[in-house]
Amino acid sequence: DTAVSQTPKYLVTQMGNDKSIKCEQNLGHDTMYWYKQDSKKFLKIMFSYNNKELIINETVPNRFSPKSPDKAHLNLHINSLELGDSAVYFCASSPTGGDGYTFGSGTRLTVV
Amino acid sequence: AQSVTQLDSQVPVFEEAPVELRCNYSSSVSVYLFWYVQYPNQGLQLLLKYLSGSTLVKGINGFEAEFNKSQTSFHLRKPSVHISDTAEYFCAVSETGDYKLSFGAGTTVTVRA
Repeated sequence: DTAVSQTPKYLVTQMGNDKSIKCEQNLGHDTMYWYKQDSKKFLKIMFSYNNKELIINETVPNRFSPKSPDKAHLNLHINSLELGDSAVYFCASSPTGGDGYTFGSGTRLTVV
Repeated sequence: AQSVTQLDSQVPVFEEAPVELRCNYSSSVSVYLFWYVQYPNQGLQLLLKYLSGSTLVKGINGFEAEFNKSQTSFHLRKPSVHISDTAEYFCAVSETGDYKLSFGAGTTVTVRA
């Protein structure tokens, strides 16, 4: 039973399209995150939600919009996709206090 | 704000040899420290973490790390590596009670027979 699951695993789309990535966790954690891993494997936080409230919002283009319908789900919607959005996007969750994340397996987004 | 520096971008090592991956952090407050491993085309798996207490932390797959507050370091070690340890290793830090986890740039470990 996967603890943090993301869908889809791979996403290939054209520039200008709008796409969503879904994430669900069954660990009972209060906090969820989106991270972006670029082509050099550098990991950078994008957003974090705690009990459905946005608590971290790094400098990310406003084409990226997270949505948390409940504390077990955190989705990422991206409008007007650009070539530079190509990356691997990881969802993660943690208990309150942030003493360690559990990551999903990632979504590899390729914009052509 | 916290930051992490992984001092080696690539570490080639022969099978059954020891390996050490170096990590230094910067923070003005107390921290939690983590090592994650990423196998090719997979997500990140927690190897070990330091929250408090003993400075020597043992993790999965025979890895251990030592927290050194005076040197602000958290180096990862394994006494004898296997081919299957070939992966990307990330050191990460969060300030105590903070949610934001900051990662180092990663160290690529390649184990050769």
